[in-house]
Amino acid sequence: EVQLVESGGGLVQPGGSLRLSCAASGFTFSSHSMNWVRQAPGKGLEWISYISSSSWTIYYADSVKGRLTISRDNAKNSLYLQMNSLRDEDTAVYYCTRDLCSGGTCSGISDYWGQGTLVTVSS
Amino acid sequence: QLVLTQSPSASASLGASVKLTCTLGTGHSNYAVAWHQQQSQKGPRYLLKINSDGSHSKGDGIPDRFSGSTSGAERYLTISSLQSEDEADYYCQTWAPGIRVFGGGTKLTVL
Repeated sequence: EVQLVESGGGLVQPGGSLRLSCAASGFTFSSHSMNWVRQAPGKGLEWISYISSSSWTIYYADSVKGRLTISRDNAKNSLYLQMNSLRDEDTAVYYCTRDLCSGGTCSGISDYWGQGTLVTVSS
Repeated sequence: QLVLTQSPSASASLGASVKLTCTLGTGHSNYAVAWHQQQSQKGPRYLLKINSDGSHSKGDGIPDRFSGSTSGAERYLTISSLQSEDEADYYCQTWAPGIRVFGGGTKLTVL
C-alpha cells in the first residue's frame, strides 16, 4: 500500500524557518518524481515545488521561489521542504504528492497524496 | 498561460448523476487533466486522468461510478448513482514542464 506521511509542521513566527518531511513507503520511491502542494485555510490547492526522481530537476512556484528548498533522500525514502523567511501567507496545510509514472515516464499528475501537515505563521 | 477554470459549486440529488466541468485555457486544449476529490477535513484523493482523446485511467480503488470524458478544451468528471460520501470539493489538475496547475475547485452538494 502506497503511503505518504508528512511531519514537521507547527507554529512559527514571521521570518522564521521550518523543515517539513515526507516519509514514503509501499512503492519504489527512487522511481517517482515528487511534489509539495499546499492549501491555505478555506482555499484551493496550490502547487509549490517539484523534484525529479534523481533530484536533477527542481521547479518552484513564483510565490515561494528563493525562500523554500525541496530535496529528497532516496536511500531514506524521504522528501523534504526547507522553509525560510516564512510569511503570514505561507500558513497552510502542506501535502507531499507522488507523480503518476508508467514505463519509466512520469506525468505531472499527483496520483497519491499524504494527509498533510499544518504550518501556521503567526506572531 | 496555463489555467484551469471550474464552476465554484454544483448540486445533485442522491442517486442521480452529475457532470463537473474543467476548462483548459486558450492554446492548451490538447492537455490531459486529472480530477481529485477532497472530502471535508481530509487530504485530496486522485480519481482519474483524462487525455485529450477522451481516454481515461482511474486511480487505485476508484469505483466505476466515476468516469471522465472530453469535448474540445473541456474535461468532464461524471459521477453516477450519487452517494452522500460524494459530497466533497473536486479539483482538476494539469501540468507543463516546470509547472503544475490546479483549478479553483467545485464544491459538490448532494441533496
